[in-house]
Amino acid sequence: DSGVTQTPKHLITATGQRVTLRCSPRSGDLSVYWYQQSLDQGLQFLIQYYNGEERAKGNILERFSAQQFPDLHSELNLSSLELGDSALYFCASSVVSQGSTDTQYFGPGTRLTVL
Amino acid sequence: AQKVTQAQTEISVVEKEDVTLDCVYETRDTTYYLFWYKQPPSGELVFLIRRNSFDEQNEISGRYSWNFQKSTSSFNFTITASQVVDSAVYFCALAGSNAGNMLTFGGGTRLMVKP
Repeated sequence: DSGVTQTPKHLITATGQRVTLRCSPRSGDLSVYWYQQSLDQGLQFLIQYYNGEERAKGNILERFSAQQFPDLHSELNLSSLELGDSALYFCASSVVSQGSTDTQYFGPGTRLTVL
Repeated sequence: AQKVTQAQTEISVVEKEDVTLDCVYETRDTTYYLFWYKQPPSGELVFLIRRNSFDEQNEISGRYSWNFQKSTSSFNFTITASQVVDSAVYFCALAGSNAGNMLTFGGGTRLMVKP
């Protein structure tokens, strides 16, 4: 158990809908990351938040957005869903040290199926 | 740009055999970090090891060992005396100092250990 929690574990929805994925980081970790794992694209970085502020952005679609709240939990919002958005979405967390790259610990993932 | 290549998409061995998973990386950063993660059939991503670019010492942890060679840009992972529980997908990942904490993953190697 990494200490990172994600809900829900599974999500089934229809095209055009909007969903919210939730992540709670490990105790003491200030940074949260979102990754998407799909069969065709592999594991891809989406976005990073540090202490409530967006820190880095990867290949995140405009239909997707995220935020990190004062209690450090994070939500990933996916809207206007398409079949191709079906994937496993991971949240990871880390302590962010100055001048170093910290280990990211991953949650169990949310499996999104868009029908 | 950063890139991680895991040329072996699938490896099948019989229990107790030794197996080496290859990882080759590309980065322009002089300071970077390399990681290995394991994804068992249950789906979560489990952290195995983190190594920075200044530390080329090989590491051994039980049946696992890692060989980092900057000269060939490789960070290979060896499992000695494999067991059925080692069956999983293994990912190599890279974080360059100029890319923040963003992880770039390889495509993964699926290891099947048969009894």
